[in-house]
Amino acid sequence: GQSLEQPSEVTAVEGAIVQINCTYQTSGFYGLSWYQQHDGGAPTFLSYNALDGLEETGRFSSFLSRSDSYGYLLLQELQMKDSASYFCAVKGNMLTFGGGTRLMVKP
Amino acid sequence: DAMVIQNPRYQVTQFGKPVTLSCSQTLNHNVMYWYQQKSSQAPKLLFHYYDKDFNNEADTPDNFQSRRPNTSFCFLDIRSPGLGDAAMYLCATSRDGGAVYEQYFGPGTRLTVT
Repeated sequence: GQSLEQPSEVTAVEGAIVQINCTYQTSGFYGLSWYQQHDGGAPTFLSYNALDGLEETGRFSSFLSRSDSYGYLLLQELQMKDSASYFCAVKGNMLTFGGGTRLMVKP
Repeated sequence: DAMVIQNPRYQVTQFGKPVTLSCSQTLNHNVMYWYQQKSSQAPKLLFHYYDKDFNNEADTPDNFQSRRPNTSFCFLDIRSPGLGDAAMYLCATSRDGGAVYEQYFGPGTRLTVT
């Protein structure tokens, strides 16, 4: 089976940098995805790491270490609109989501 | 714009009264998924279709059924909704099975059971 752990809540101020960690235990692993979900909205795909290292997409970056079964999402220059829940998800045969991290950005 | 559409956005049904939720997509993706998401929880996969091949998750209750009459449409039928079935139901697509990591979600249908 799959299990993923991520912090339930993170708070940061506008303009700051925040890192959301995700650790996983899985019987089959192909990669790690990240999704953003605003309250009442649909999850939106942010990034996918199949290989070790850092992937950068604008203000967001995602990192994977397969040997450590660990990844993180890095959000830079935080804006109020970044307040949302962020889910890591393991790609096995299907996609298994973590419990989500609620990010609150304060002025 | 290519997208995933879900109707209705809000559905109220009575305990035990069958309900159908619908999903359509204009992305021409092969794979369609149904998830259940309860408040502050992760989306939980109920089943998925790879083209017309139906795949049920082991722990999906028999109360939940699905139909995919063509590439564009997929339906979720809840035969006898219980209070515990109140949730957001999300439909998603991916280009193919290999691209399961990148799913496109509809806005969801919020189901209330009275």
